[in-house]
Amino acid sequence: AQSVSQHNHHVILSEAASLELGCNYSYGGTVNLFWYVQYPGQHLQLLLKYFSGDPLVKGIKGFEAEFIKSKFSFNLRKPSVQWSDTAEYFCAVNGGSQGNLIFGKGTKLSVKP
Amino acid sequence: NAGVTQTPKFQVLKTGQSMTLQCAQDMNHEYMSWYRQDPGMGLRLIHYSVGAGITDQGEVPNGYNVSRSTTEDFPLRLLSAAPSQTSVYFCASSKGQGIVNTQYFGPGTRLTVL
Repeated sequence: AQSVSQHNHHVILSEAASLELGCNYSYGGTVNLFWYVQYPGQHLQLLLKYFSGDPLVKGIKGFEAEFIKSKFSFNLRKPSVQWSDTAEYFCAVNGGSQGNLIFGKGTKLSVKP
Repeated sequence: NAGVTQTPKFQVLKTGQSMTLQCAQDMNHEYMSWYRQDPGMGLRLIHYSVGAGITDQGEVPNGYNVSRSTTEDFPLRLLSAAPSQTSVYFCASSKGQGIVNTQYFGPGTRLTVL
């Protein structure tokens, strides 16, 4: 069965610090990978996605992620975080024919002003 | 387009009561799904549908029923609510059933079962 692991439960950073959130998945076939963000009290919004092609994917708000197939990883990065990036971040993978998403448990990011 | 809409936004039930969470999308998406979100658990798939008249179980289907009579609507029914069903419920939709699709989420329904 597919699974997604997010290594950090809660990350606390100061503004302007660099961010990297880890995500590993277990699925041997072709996968699509996603990062979603959930701001406090809001619903999930798509941050970025990887379907094929360039493994370095750029998303909204300065976020990017790199797909490393050999490591089954899809880590999220941002060079300089802002207070407004405080949110919960979910990695998700889709490797089945039905289109079902499997989510990681989420990483809560708190950015101190 | 309104996207994916969900009603109600908040609901409090007593144990044993029944209710239906509504979900609708106006993007003509074939695929729709329901997730529940619990602290520290991420989102877990309850039921999904790949088109009108077709539904299937996800990871945590027990205690929930669904139907898909139209492309637009995908209601989630709790027949006899239990405190373990206290959660935030998200409906999502995407264009097709293949893997190369992005899912769009509704605003969620926060359900409390006393």
